Amino acid sequence: EVQLVESGGGLVQPGGSLRLSCSASGFTFSSYAMHWVRQAPGKGLEYVSAISSNGGSTYYADSVKGRFTISRDNSKNTLYLQMSSLRAEDTAVYYCVKVRCSGGSCFFDYWGQGTLVTVSS
Amino acid sequence: SYVLTQPPSVSVAPGKTARITCGGNNIGSKSVHWYQQKPGQAPVLVIYYDSDRPSGIPERFSGSNSGNTATLTISRVEAGDEADYYCQVWDSSSDQVVFGGGTKLTVL
Repeated sequence: EVQLVESGGGLVQPGGSLRLSCSASGFTFSSYAMHWVRQAPGKGLEYVSAISSNGGSTYYADSVKGRFTISRDNSKNTLYLQMSSLRAEDTAVYYCVKVRCSGGSCFFDYWGQGTLVTVSS
Repeated sequence: SYVLTQPPSVSVAPGKTARITCGGNNIGSKSVHWYQQKPGQAPVLVIYYDSDRPSGIPERFSGSNSGNTATLTISRVEAGDEADYYCQVWDSSSDQVVFGGGTKLTVL
């Protein structure tokens, strides 16, 4: 059974930093790209960041570029999101997501339960 | 960047058919995926590649995609189908994921 378990969320002051972790199990972690998707309170889904299976390629939404860093440790089956210079608008539930790609399209077949990040003074 | 447009809300009586649309420029040339999100829960994939259902998703859920509109159809709607629904595509021109704004399905 595929499981994605996020941790590391919490309350942080504007300008502060936080590192999210996602522990994966039930599939060959090192074979799949992984993503982070967030959802602000009462809002829709927003694509945040992605990393290739070997960590060699990364992607960031313009809203977080230069402030967030995605990484992974395939030996530990763990995905990370280092967040810095946090702003109030970064307040959201952050989901770790496994992606499945074929025929030029990708979708998210498994989601973690999410971890809440609140940026407030 | 590519934009997906969904109606904010759709209402349907139990036992009837709900249709949730997702509009985009020539979306019929892309693969569309749909997610269901119930309050306080993570999204769940309900349709992928326009019309395929993951295991465990009832046959009542179906999808179609043509022209500028993709549609998620839920037949014989039940109270438990009340949720937010999001469409998603992979925009190959920018190599990134695009989500629709979401549609709240209310079962009357």
